[in-house]
Amino acid sequence: DAGVTQSPTHLIKTRGQQVTLRCSPKSGHDTVSWYQQALGQGPQFIFQYYEEEERQRGNFPDRFSGHQFPNYSSELNVNALLLGDSALYLCASSFSGQVGNEQFFGPGTRLTVL
Amino acid sequence: AQSVTQPDIHITVSEGASLELRCNYSYGATPYLFWYVQSPGQGLQLLLKYFSGDTLVQGIKGFEAEFKRSQSSFNLRKPSVHWSDAAEYFCAVHTGGFKTIFGAGTRLFVKA
Repeated sequence: DAGVTQSPTHLIKTRGQQVTLRCSPKSGHDTVSWYQQALGQGPQFIFQYYEEEERQRGNFPDRFSGHQFPNYSSELNVNALLLGDSALYLCASSFSGQVGNEQFFGPGTRLTVL
Repeated sequence: AQSVTQPDIHITVSEGASLELRCNYSYGATPYLFWYVQSPGQGLQLLLKYFSGDTLVQGIKGFEAEFKRSQSSFNLRKPSVHWSDAAEYFCAVHTGGFKTIFGAGTRLFVKA
């Protein structure tokens, strides 16, 4: 079992650009959540995808969008990048049939915006 | 609003000493509770969870946590710390919606 995988590992962009991050969930999982972790802080919930639909969103602007594919993998897109978007972006997968939203996390994508 | 507080930004303990990391949450009912560990530049690894039942839960790597409803706390403990335990620890709560709320984390330093 490969667990949750994310790509790329690191990314450097400039202000105003757009970025796409990718996530493959753990085998058997059908739900993907995305988190932003700024330096020295805890992860902040961006949104969750289930059945290819966004079903809950945290306090993030519309510049952050996502997608889930039929194989349950997911993408996070961020448009018009700001310096403050620099962070570690974590993907977490879970199984919808399990109570408690127990999540398994990927290693993250480190995004640096210059 | 639901929240999670980890009062200690960082803690230093000697190798072999006991450890307790504090976590308090704000929520009207009993949430689902988690502790995660994060090594530098890595993702989060689940240490243990509490959903219901016995309030003392055992996790991986010799960690345990105790849920105290009256104090809205879920403190993490380990009787004897190893140098490899140095990392960042996050307490998290899931309150029945679809998102999980994390505390700001406690950085653990282990001295020889």
